[in-house]
Amino acid sequence: EPEVTQTPSHQVTQMGQEVILRCVPISNHLYFYWYRQILGQKVEFLVSFYNNEISEKSEIFDDQFSVERPDGSNFTLKIRSTKLEDSAMYFCASLAGTLNQPQHFGDGTRLSIL
Amino acid sequence: EDQVTQSPEALRLQEGESSSLNCSYTVSGLRGLFWYRQDPGKGPEFLFTLYSAGEEKEKERLKATLTKKESFLHITAPKPEDSATYLCAVLPPWAGKSTFGDGTTLTVKP
Repeated sequence: EPEVTQTPSHQVTQMGQEVILRCVPISNHLYFYWYRQILGQKVEFLVSFYNNEISEKSEIFDDQFSVERPDGSNFTLKIRSTKLEDSAMYFCASLAGTLNQPQHFGDGTRLSIL
Repeated sequence: EDQVTQSPEALRLQEGESSSLNCSYTVSGLRGLFWYRQDPGKGPEFLFTLYSAGEEKEKERLKATLTKKESFLHITAPKPEDSATYLCAVLPPWAGKSTFGDGTTLTVKP
């Protein structure tokens, strides 16, 4: 069964450094998402991406965050200058775009900011 | 703003002891209500989609139902391998963000 893959599984970064989280969505899907989950808290929406542009973003997704789909297969989340509070699990998800399909999630990248 | 509330926060069952998890929601429009299972250190794994009040879906020991204000995930004769956090999420018609509940952490003791 097709799946969403995310790399790396764990990223440790110094505060203030840039980090790029990578995702390969399911190949025929049209909508792409990033969510985050701080330890012990709920899954929170960050951004949705469709037709090569952001379709919606949350208050969390400020100027320090950006997303890209550079080559038609990868979908990346960049954090320009990381803060301690960015430490969380980051999940990528994709959606086929038809009404009877759910979002499919990857297993996430655990981001630890030191 | 869309809101999703799940209860209970945690549920401990003996193997074979059936129970139900609740997800109540307030949304401006509903494309679908989704149930996911999340194991520690993993991403949410899709279980069910429900679209309209009265709809029911079943998979092995799990059955999901939907009304206009809430959804239930019924677990019949659970086994230890059913232990996980069960997440409910609602998705609006324009395929924007999913709003998740806090989840119910289910522990099934042998």
